[in-house]
Amino acid sequence: SAVISQKPSRDICQRGTSLTIQCQVDSQVTMMFWYRQQPGQSLTLIATANQGSEATYESGFVIDKFPISRPNLTFSTLTVSNMSPEDSSIYLCSVALSGTASYEQYFGPGTRLTVT
Amino acid sequence: AQSVTQPDIHITVSEGASLELRCNYSYGATPYLFWYVQSPGQGLQLLLKYFSGDTLVQGIKGFEAEFKRSQSSFNLRKPSVHWSDAAEYFCAVPPRYSSASKIIFGSGTRLSIRP
Repeated sequence: SAVISQKPSRDICQRGTSLTIQCQVDSQVTMMFWYRQQPGQSLTLIATANQGSEATYESGFVIDKFPISRPNLTFSTLTVSNMSPEDSSIYLCSVALSGTASYEQYFGPGTRLTVT
Repeated sequence: AQSVTQPDIHITVSEGASLELRCNYSYGATPYLFWYVQSPGQGLQLLLKYFSGDTLVQGIKGFEAEFKRSQSSFNLRKPSVHWSDAAEYFCAVPPRYSSASKIIFGSGTRLSIRP
Protein backbone atom coordinates (compact mmCIF):
# COMPACT_ATOMS: atom_id res chain seq x y z
CA SER A 1 0.00 0.00 0.00
CA ALA A 2 0.98 3.68 0.04
CA VAL A 3 0.64 6.58 2.47
CA ILE A 4 -0.87 9.58 0.75
CA SER A 5 -1.19 13.06 2.22
CA GLN A 6 -3.02 16.07 0.89
CA LYS A 7 -2.72 19.75 1.68
CA PRO A 8 -4.76 21.63 2.65
CA SER A 9 -7.23 19.31 4.35
CA ARG A 10 -9.92 21.94 3.95
CA ASP A 11 -10.31 25.52 2.84
CA ILE A 12 -12.93 28.18 2.39
CA CYS A 13 -12.32 30.37 -0.64
CA GLN A 14 -13.99 33.30 -2.31
CA ARG A 15 -15.40 32.98 -5.78
CA GLY A 16 -13.07 34.06 -8.54
CA THR A 17 -9.94 32.92 -6.72
CA SER A 18 -7.84 29.81 -7.27
CA LEU A 19 -6.67 27.06 -4.92
CA THR A 20 -3.82 24.64 -5.43
CA ILE A 21 -4.12 21.25 -3.73
CA GLN A 22 -1.02 19.18 -3.10
CA CYS A 23 -0.76 15.41 -3.06
CA GLN A 24 2.32 13.68 -1.65
CA VAL A 25 3.01 9.94 -1.70
CA ASP A 26 5.55 8.08 0.41
CA SER A 27 6.77 5.98 -2.51
CA GLN A 28 7.34 6.38 -6.22
CA VAL A 29 4.22 5.77 -8.26
CA THR A 30 3.58 5.83 -11.96
CA MET A 31 -0.04 6.82 -12.06
CA MET A 32 -1.80 9.44 -9.98
CA PHE A 33 -5.42 10.41 -10.27
CA TRP A 34 -7.55 13.35 -9.19
CA TYR A 35 -11.22 12.91 -8.28
CA ARG A 36 -14.03 15.24 -7.32
CA GLN A 37 -16.75 14.27 -4.89
CA GLN A 38 -19.58 16.75 -4.85
CA PRO A 39 -21.76 16.95 -1.73
CA GLY A 40 -23.70 13.74 -1.26
CA GLN A 41 -22.37 12.30 -4.50
CA SER A 42 -20.02 9.58 -5.60
CA LEU A 43 -16.55 10.11 -7.01
CA THR A 44 -15.92 11.50 -10.47
CA LEU A 45 -12.52 11.21 -12.12
CA ILE A 46 -11.13 14.58 -13.16
CA ALA A 47 -7.85 13.52 -14.74
CA THR A 48 -4.98 11.07 -14.75
CA ALA A 49 -1.55 12.53 -14.06
CA ASN A 50 1.46 10.57 -15.24
CA GLN A 51 4.97 11.83 -14.61
CA GLY A 52 6.66 13.19 -17.71
CA SER A 53 3.51 13.70 -19.72
CA GLU A 54 0.52 15.99 -19.77
CA ALA A 55 -2.48 15.06 -17.71
CA THR A 56 -5.34 13.25 -19.41
CA TYR A 57 -8.69 14.87 -18.63
CA GLU A 58 -12.07 13.20 -18.50
CA SER A 59 -15.06 14.50 -20.39
CA GLY A 60 -16.39 17.65 -18.76
CA PHE A 61 -13.07 18.71 -17.25
CA VAL A 62 -10.59 21.04 -18.94
CA ILE A 63 -7.03 22.03 -18.28
CA ASP A 64 -7.80 25.74 -18.01
CA LYS A 65 -10.13 25.08 -15.08
CA PHE A 66 -8.17 22.26 -13.43
CA PRO A 67 -4.48 22.56 -14.30
CA ILE A 68 -2.40 19.68 -12.97
CA SER A 69 1.32 19.37 -12.38
CA ARG A 70 3.29 16.15 -11.90
CA PRO A 71 6.91 17.15 -11.42
CA ASN A 72 8.12 13.80 -10.05
CA LEU A 73 7.00 10.30 -9.08
CA THR A 74 5.87 11.23 -5.56
CA PHE A 75 4.06 14.55 -5.96
CA SER A 76 1.24 16.20 -7.87
CA THR A 77 -0.86 19.34 -7.63
CA LEU A 78 -4.36 20.16 -8.77
CA THR A 79 -5.44 23.79 -9.12
CA VAL A 80 -9.09 24.75 -9.07
CA SER A 81 -9.17 28.00 -11.03
CA ASN A 82 -11.61 30.90 -11.02
CA MET A 83 -13.73 29.16 -8.44
CA SER A 84 -17.49 29.35 -8.15
CA PRO A 85 -19.80 27.87 -5.48
CA GLU A 86 -20.39 24.90 -7.81
CA ASP A 87 -16.76 23.90 -7.24
CA SER A 88 -17.48 23.22 -3.57
CA SER A 89 -16.51 19.57 -3.26
CA ILE A 90 -14.06 17.14 -1.77
CA TYR A 91 -11.06 16.69 -4.02
CA LEU A 92 -9.18 13.41 -3.66
CA CYS A 93 -5.97 12.18 -5.17
CA SER A 94 -5.25 8.51 -5.61
CA VAL A 95 -2.31 6.46 -6.79
CA ALA A 96 -1.76 3.17 -8.52
CA LEU A 97 1.39 1.53 -7.20
CA SER A 98 4.21 0.99 -9.67
CA GLY A 99 4.36 -2.60 -10.84
CA THR A 100 0.64 -3.18 -10.34
CA ALA A 101 -2.18 -2.67 -12.76
CA SER A 102 -3.80 0.73 -12.60
CA TYR A 103 -7.04 -0.65 -11.24
CA GLU A 104 -5.78 -1.01 -7.67
CA GLN A 105 -5.83 2.54 -6.36
CA TYR A 106 -5.16 4.00 -2.94
CA PHE A 107 -6.71 7.28 -1.90
CA GLY A 108 -5.60 10.31 0.03
CA PRO A 109 -7.74 11.82 2.81
CA GLY A 110 -9.20 14.47 0.53
CA THR A 111 -9.39 18.27 0.51
CA ARG A 112 -12.74 19.73 1.46
CA LEU A 113 -13.27 22.94 -0.50
CA THR A 114 -16.04 25.43 0.17
CA VAL A 115 -16.46 28.35 -2.20
CA THR A 116 -18.47 31.33 -0.97
CA ALA B 1 -21.66 0.48 -20.90
CA GLN B 2 -20.36 -0.60 -17.54
CA SER B 3 -22.36 0.55 -14.54
CA VAL B 4 -22.60 -0.04 -10.83
CA THR B 5 -25.82 0.34 -8.86
CA GLN B 6 -26.20 0.63 -5.12
CA PRO B 7 -29.97 0.61 -4.57
CA ASP B 8 -29.87 1.74 -0.94
CA ILE B 9 -28.96 5.37 -0.34
CA HIS B 10 -29.09 5.15 3.46
CA ILE B 11 -29.32 2.21 5.84
CA THR B 12 -29.60 2.24 9.63
CA VAL B 13 -28.87 -0.86 11.69
CA SER B 14 -28.52 -1.45 15.39
CA GLU B 15 -25.11 -2.04 16.86
CA GLY B 16 -24.44 -5.76 16.98
CA ALA B 17 -26.91 -6.52 14.20
CA SER B 18 -25.94 -8.05 10.88
CA LEU B 19 -25.46 -5.94 7.78
CA GLU B 20 -25.84 -6.45 4.05
CA LEU B 21 -25.19 -3.67 1.54
CA ARG B 22 -26.31 -4.32 -2.00
CA CYS B 23 -24.34 -3.80 -5.18
CA ASN B 24 -25.34 -4.74 -8.71
CA TYR B 25 -23.18 -4.35 -11.77
CA SER B 26 -23.64 -4.29 -15.49
CA TYR B 27 -20.65 -5.58 -17.39
CA GLY B 28 -20.05 -7.61 -20.53
CA ALA B 29 -17.69 -10.07 -18.88
CA THR B 30 -16.83 -11.13 -15.36
CA PRO B 31 -15.72 -7.91 -13.75
CA TYR B 32 -13.26 -7.07 -11.09
CA LEU B 33 -15.15 -5.71 -8.09
CA PHE B 34 -14.16 -3.60 -5.11
CA TRP B 35 -15.76 -2.25 -1.98
CA TYR B 36 -14.41 0.97 -0.50
CA VAL B 37 -15.32 2.65 2.80
CA GLN B 38 -15.18 6.38 3.46
CA SER B 39 -15.37 7.36 7.11
CA PRO B 40 -16.48 10.90 7.93
CA GLY B 41 -13.80 13.38 6.90
CA GLN B 42 -11.58 10.65 5.52
CA GLY B 43 -10.48 9.39 2.13
CA LEU B 44 -11.44 6.04 0.71
CA GLN B 45 -10.08 2.80 2.11
CA LEU B 46 -10.18 -0.44 0.17
CA LEU B 47 -12.22 -3.00 2.15
CA LEU B 48 -11.96 -5.96 -0.19
CA LYS B 49 -11.58 -6.91 -3.81
CA TYR B 50 -12.66 -9.71 -6.14
CA PHE B 51 -10.64 -10.65 -9.19
CA SER B 52 -11.38 -14.34 -9.74
CA GLY B 53 -11.58 -17.67 -7.95
CA ASP B 54 -13.48 -18.10 -4.70
CA THR B 55 -16.67 -16.09 -4.91
CA LEU B 56 -16.68 -15.34 -1.16
CA VAL B 57 -14.09 -12.69 -0.44
CA GLN B 58 -12.85 -11.73 2.99
CA GLY B 59 -11.80 -8.18 3.69
CA ILE B 60 -10.59 -5.99 6.49
CA LYS B 61 -12.58 -5.00 9.57
CA GLY B 62 -14.59 -8.24 9.52
CA PHE B 63 -16.31 -7.55 6.20
CA GLU B 64 -16.94 -10.08 3.46
CA ALA B 65 -18.59 -9.96 0.06
CA GLU B 66 -20.00 -12.63 -2.23
CA PHE B 67 -19.85 -12.48 -6.00
CA LYS B 68 -22.97 -13.96 -7.60
CA ARG B 69 -22.72 -14.06 -11.35
CA SER B 70 -26.34 -15.18 -11.81
CA GLN B 71 -27.58 -12.10 -9.97
CA SER B 72 -24.87 -9.69 -11.16
CA SER B 73 -24.33 -8.83 -7.54
CA PHE B 74 -21.47 -8.28 -5.12
CA ASN B 75 -23.14 -7.63 -1.77
CA LEU B 76 -21.14 -6.60 1.26
CA ARG B 77 -21.85 -8.29 4.59
CA LYS B 78 -20.82 -8.14 8.20
CA PRO B 79 -22.27 -10.44 10.89
CA SER B 80 -22.16 -7.86 13.69
CA VAL B 81 -21.68 -4.15 13.14
CA HIS B 82 -19.86 -1.79 15.45
CA TRP B 83 -20.53 1.90 15.94
CA SER B 84 -17.24 2.63 14.17
CA ASP B 85 -18.65 1.09 10.98
CA ALA B 86 -20.80 4.18 10.43
CA ALA B 87 -19.52 5.48 7.10
CA GLU B 88 -20.21 5.73 3.40
CA TYR B 89 -19.65 2.55 1.40
CA PHE B 90 -18.90 2.48 -2.30
CA CYS B 91 -19.02 -0.47 -4.62
CA ALA B 92 -16.69 -0.05 -7.59
CA VAL B 93 -15.74 -1.72 -10.83
CA PRO B 94 -12.12 -1.13 -11.77
CA PRO B 95 -10.96 -1.58 -15.35
CA ARG B 96 -10.36 -5.20 -16.23
CA TYR B 97 -7.43 -4.37 -18.45
CA SER B 98 -4.58 -2.14 -17.35
CA SER B 99 -4.82 0.00 -20.46
CA ALA B 100 -7.82 1.69 -18.89
CA SER B 101 -7.56 3.52 -15.60
CA LYS B 102 -11.07 4.68 -14.80
CA ILE B 103 -12.77 3.10 -11.81
CA ILE B 104 -16.56 3.22 -11.98
CA PHE B 105 -18.02 3.96 -8.57
CA GLY B 106 -21.53 3.31 -7.38
CA SER B 107 -23.49 6.15 -5.85
CA GLY B 108 -22.70 4.99 -2.33
CA THR B 109 -24.67 3.75 0.66
CA ARG B 110 -24.52 5.69 3.90
CA LEU B 111 -24.55 3.43 6.93
CA SER B 112 -25.78 4.72 10.29
CA ILE B 113 -25.54 2.71 13.48
CA ARG B 114 -28.28 2.83 16.08
CA PRO B 115 -26.91 2.52 19.66
